[in-house]
Amino acid sequence: ETGVTQTPRHLVMGMTNKKSLKCEQHLGHNAMYWYKQSAKKPLELMFVYNFKEQTENNSVPSRFSPECPNSSHLFLHLHTLQPEDSALYLCASSQAGTSVTDTQYFGPGTRLTVL
Amino acid sequence: AQKITQTQPGMFVQEKEAVTLDCTYDTSDQSYGLFWYKQPSSGEMIFLIYQGSYDEQNATEGRYSLNFQKARKSANLVISASQLGDSAMYFCAMSATSGTYKYIFGTGTRLKVLA
Repeated sequence: ETGVTQTPRHLVMGMTNKKSLKCEQHLGHNAMYWYKQSAKKPLELMFVYNFKEQTENNSVPSRFSPECPNSSHLFLHLHTLQPEDSALYLCASSQAGTSVTDTQYFGPGTRLTVL
Repeated sequence: AQKITQTQPGMFVQEKEAVTLDCTYDTSDQSYGLFWYKQPSSGEMIFLIYQGSYDEQNATEGRYSLNFQKARKSANLVISASQLGDSAMYFCAMSATSGTYKYIFGTGTRLKVLA
């Protein structure tokens, strides 16, 4: 595998389910990000991790719970979601997340539908 | 406040022609980065090109070039010799400090290349 991978690519879940999204980066980066992309809205940053430490939580509801066990893996645990949470969830990674020159590389995304 | 503006929701271009996608930004920082990404219908955000605020030369990457006009706070993407595979959404982004380094994205421009 190369670059940034995300699984699953598609997910349909009910409001009472618990599921997890997985992201893995094979670039040797130290910063990882979760973004939400809804139809007709700009990309929304959700969480940032630098060297496994969470450095940004952009007022995300507690029904989204991130986990970063090491610099290569990032999870987004989902529980009791709402239909408005249906969106494309994108994971990204960058070298360090501490410089304006830092380029973020994205995975293919997980398209989530909440019924 | 830091902001990215893309005023063209949709653009058409004839195959083999050049096209310019507009991006203006607003920041009070002296040091910042500007990025362009391509998002095909599959969903993945593909990094295209980067321009640093102190770079004196316009960035180029193959058929992509960035027309950087600092005084006007614009960072337009120029795609030369358009191909059918260039049809996608294009996002302009700026790296901002605001306490932590993170990206601010524009709302995107949908480009359609016509045969």
